[in-house]
Amino acid sequence: QQQVKQSPQSLIVQKGGISIINCAYENTAFDYFPWYQQFPGKGPALLIAIRPDVSEKKEGRFTISFNKSAKQFSLHIMDSQPGDSATYFCAASRNAGNMLTFGGGTRLMVKP
Amino acid sequence: EPEVTQTPSHQVTQMGQEVILRCVPISNHLYFYWYRQILGQKVEFLVSFYNNEISEKSEIFDDQFSVERPDGSNFTLKIRSTKLEDSAMYFCASSETTRGGYEQYFGPGTRLTVT
Repeated sequence: QQQVKQSPQSLIVQKGGISIINCAYENTAFDYFPWYQQFPGKGPALLIAIRPDVSEKKEGRFTISFNKSAKQFSLHIMDSQPGDSATYFCAASRNAGNMLTFGGGTRLMVKP
Repeated sequence: EPEVTQTPSHQVTQMGQEVILRCVPISNHLYFYWYRQILGQKVEFLVSFYNNEISEKSEIFDDQFSVERPDGSNFTLKIRSTKLEDSAMYFCASSETTRGGYEQYFGPGTRLTVT
């Protein structure tokens, strides 16, 4: 019940294209859903996050879509750039201060 | 911009030895965490720490692990007797939470290699 399932495991997108990464969760007590970006040898960097009271949040080229009834959320990267090539992790937590449960990660490659 | 720092960046140790990984969380943050990431795998929660005590821990965090906040700035993870399977990247994170903030900010990690 604590799992967060992420797909796809890897993704190749052409420069300028849209990258879409999906996550699904089971625990309805989760109420915070962040996305992290990780470059090789670095720590995860918080990218964007959403709470279940909204269905979409946009920050620049990054958008989270959230479907509470389906218990799914996704990250859309518009106008994908080679610099976006990284591993992306979705995560979820129950309350402020609680542990993050991470998805398995998606390795994104944006081809020039 | 404030950031979480960790030392050392890489630690090599022999099986059975004790290691201490150090972290300096963001200064006004109140919750501190340790996570680990085995090469190529997802990030896994180990422990969270608040108000000078463990608030939550995972199954991974067994008696071989301990955490401490020895002073007002440092947060440490100790592994008493390292095993080969402890080889991983260890990330420290911190969050503010006083205003309901959930955001956890991660440090650059310590790569632990157990030989």
